[in-house]
Amino acid sequence: GQNIDQPTEMTATEGAIVQINCTYQTSGFNGLFWYQQHAGEAPTFLSYNVLDGLEEKGRFSSFLSRSKGYSYLLLKELQMKDSASYLCASLDSNYQLIWGAGTKLIIKP
Amino acid sequence: GAVVSQHPSWVICKSGTSVKIECRSLDFQATTMFWYRQFPKQSLMLMATSNEGSKATYEQGVEKDKFLINHASLTLSTLTVTSAHPEDSSFYICSARADRENSPLHFGNGTRLTVT
Repeated sequence: GQNIDQPTEMTATEGAIVQINCTYQTSGFNGLFWYQQHAGEAPTFLSYNVLDGLEEKGRFSSFLSRSKGYSYLLLKELQMKDSASYLCASLDSNYQLIWGAGTKLIIKP
Repeated sequence: GAVVSQHPSWVICKSGTSVKIECRSLDFQATTMFWYRQFPKQSLMLMATSNEGSKATYEQGVEKDKFLINHASLTLSTLTVTSAHPEDSSFYICSARADRENSPLHFGNGTRLTVT
């Protein structure tokens, strides 16, 4: 079956670094997405990885290992506004998005 | 199990025809539903916000006369792609949120549209 696993909740301190992991098992693979979702709002796109390695975008970086079915989202210099849910989603061979349940990130001062 | 049902999962149609996609919230009432479009290897793009009992709100660059949205009940929103063209071939996904404070968004599994 198809499955995306990520932690339910994480807590971190303002100014620190946090890594949110995601493992996936899908029928075929056409890339992995990370989205940020604030409560009550639509998700916003953060990153897309289809090749192995690290993609850096400012304070956010995303890593992919296709052989391990593993990705992580790295957030640096955490700000209070980064408190949100972070969704991992895999695009399968039919270009269908398989979504994880999301990781709720709580930032403490 | 799924809380948002989207149908069909995939559809192939000829250029010039219209296609209707349904999005249903299964366990909750949703005053607001969202329609997204995603081209291969690109990000999910919000097309419009569907509001029960009123007109949908379209994002900039999305033609409201081409992408007709009907949100006739609290559990059903439909997106009709009218006079489809090959450039409309894409992945369409809906999402819905229960009418409760702080309730999360739930997503359908998407519809892959191919226009030949």
